Amino acid sequence: DTEVTQTPKHLVMGMTNKKSLKCEQHMGHRAMYWYKQKAKKPPELMFVYSYEKLSINESVPSRFSPECPNSSLLNLHLHALQPEDSALYLCASSDTDRGFRLFFGQGTRLTVV
Amino acid sequence: SQQGEEDPQALSIQEGENATMNCSYKTSINNLQWYRQNSGRGLVHLILIRSNEREKHSGRLRVTLDTSKKSSSLLITASRAADTASYFCATRRSYNTDKLIFGTGTRLQVFP
Repeated sequence: DTEVTQTPKHLVMGMTNKKSLKCEQHMGHRAMYWYKQKAKKPPELMFVYSYEKLSINESVPSRFSPECPNSSLLNLHLHALQPEDSALYLCASSDTDRGFRLFFGQGTRLTVV
Repeated sequence: SQQGEEDPQALSIQEGENATMNCSYKTSINNLQWYRQNSGRGLVHLILIRSNEREKHSGRLRVTLDTSKKSSSLLITASRAADTASYFCATRRSYNTDKLIFGTGTRLQVFP
């Protein structure tokens, strides 16, 4: 199983809503990532978890709150977002073998209205 | 901040032609990777080249790395319409970091 599964595929939320994005991998990878991608731009790193601990936070606003409940799951909790936060949110995982190549999910297309 | 810049930003070719994309980066690296992204979907890893390697091949893909110039190129030979996608280089600065930073990307269009 070489898949990273993200849910939901699409999400529309208001600026006062609270929602969560979910990501799951069953490859036994120790590192999991959240990237944000705007249209026609490269993915921008947001957070990295290593062995279920937050290891990298790229100065992301606190309205984005990551959580890693166990080694297979990664959540991104969203609260009080702005329209400019609308983007494709990508989850990925990697391990120390094969040079830390990333396995990506298909992403969640988020629209904030 | 982005580590890599790619050129061209966009490339249009006919099926059967070769496509070359270039990536330049700013700091020393442990490895450089190339990814492909079909419109609005997740990225797929294509090939990884380590800092002590100069060239790698995988099927119709050829990647070169010049650490003295801090640049890499991806060559797709005998392109197909199905190769239409965005291509990104990504760099990892050292062996002990999980941080992978993506370049600006090249949008490739292959016409049948």
